[in-house]
Amino acid sequence: EVQLLESGGGLVQPGGSLRLSCAASGLIFSDYAMNWVRRAPGKGLEWVSGISGADDSTYYAEFVKGRFTISRDNSKNTLYLQMDSLRVEDTALYYCVKDRGGYGPYHFDYWGQGTLVTVSS
Amino acid sequence: DIQMTQSPSSLSASVGDRVTITCRASQDISNYLNWYQQKPGKAPKLLIYDASYLETGVPSRFSGSGSGTDFTFTISSLQPEDIATYYCQQYETLSTFGGGTQVEIK
Repeated sequence: EVQLLESGGGLVQPGGSLRLSCAASGLIFSDYAMNWVRRAPGKGLEWVSGISGADDSTYYAEFVKGRFTISRDNSKNTLYLQMDSLRVEDTALYYCVKDRGGYGPYHFDYWGQGTLVTVSS
Repeated sequence: DIQMTQSPSSLSASVGDRVTITCRASQDISNYLNWYQQKPGKAPKLLIYDASYLETGVPSRFSGSGSGTDFTFTISSLQPEDIATYYCQQYETLSTFGGGTQVEIK
């Protein structure tokens, strides 16, 4: 069974940094594209970033481009999101999400339970 | 960026009712559209992919249709366990979600 376990969330001041991790199990991690999707309090889902499983191509939503960096370590079955220059509006529950195939973002078929990021002074 | 406009933002219906949610894309996205269900306190779940294909294990009362810019998601007979927020998602260019539709029982 596919399991995705996020960690690294917490409270950070505006302008600060956090690194989220997602440990994956139950799958051949390198075969699949992976993504980060967030949900801010009282708001809907937002796709944040994705990384291909086939060639490590990376993709970003415009609102995080230049501030967030997605990466993966296939030897550790782990996905990362380096979050710099954080803003109050980045406060959200961040989900690690598996894509159905090696490229994406396409179909999000497995989701973690999320890690909470709070940006506040 | 492709914008996804979902309506209504919330609805209340009786058990057994037919429920319809619409999603409109700001440009042609062919059939590159999925639908998700998110129950309170849970992670989202993929229900419909490529506009009209039912994900394995999802009850047949859920269905989707449409192509181009206009899409519809239907629950043919609302059940108590369908209380959730439903989202459309385009993947023609990167990915964008609609604003969500909160479904409640009347």
